Amino acid sequence: QQQVKQSPQSLIVQKGGISIINCAYENTAFDYFPWYQQFPGKGPALLIAIRPDVSEKKEGRFTISFNKSAKQFSLHIMDSQPGDSATYFCAASAHASGGSYIPTFGRGTSLIVHP
Amino acid sequence: SQTIHQWPATLVQPVGSPLSLECTVEGTSNPNLYWYRQAAGRGLQLLFYSVGIGQISSEVPQNLSASRPQDRQFILSSKKLLLSDSGFYLCAWRPGLISEKLFFGSGTQLSVL
Repeated sequence: QQQVKQSPQSLIVQKGGISIINCAYENTAFDYFPWYQQFPGKGPALLIAIRPDVSEKKEGRFTISFNKSAKQFSLHIMDSQPGDSATYFCAASAHASGGSYIPTFGRGTSLIVHP
Repeated sequence: SQTIHQWPATLVQPVGSPLSLECTVEGTSNPNLYWYRQAAGRGLQLLFYSVGIGQISSEVPQNLSASRPQDRQFILSSKKLLLSDSGFYLCAWRPGLISEKLFFGSGTQLSVL
């Protein structure tokens, strides 16, 4: 059962455009929603994250929009650049007892930004 | 500063051969450790995670096993590789109970031929 659904699977935008990636979750216990960026042949790296007590978080050209009632969150990349070309993963998690922590990842979106 | 080391970067192994991938974390103690597999064009599949020495939880029944002989060392193994074991293997760590951030290693591209 996929608890975090990510779309689109792939995305092509022109330089300077806006890239939008969407995720939807089912588990209402999730309370932390990060986005990871992965370049080819490298491990993912945390890009930006949000908690459900705010509806939006912005860091430079990257913004997370969060809709708690709809159980959806999205990543917006403003003024997309060729260097943003990568695979993006959304994730969601809730703290479990005993210190174990297992985030649930979306299936990823391959973003290509054409110059 | 904390760093994660994962090796080798690439590996080509014949079917039926053994496997050992190693991951170590520096600059922290008692981290949560994870092994993920990423098939081409697919997402991150959690294979194993560990909250302490000798404590391993398996998420997916498979041809692989994991061990944590030391606090900051996590090893992924197989006695006999299958073609389906090919993929990009990622080790990750989380600083115990403090943070929800995962820090990934640079990965091992395994090709089983």
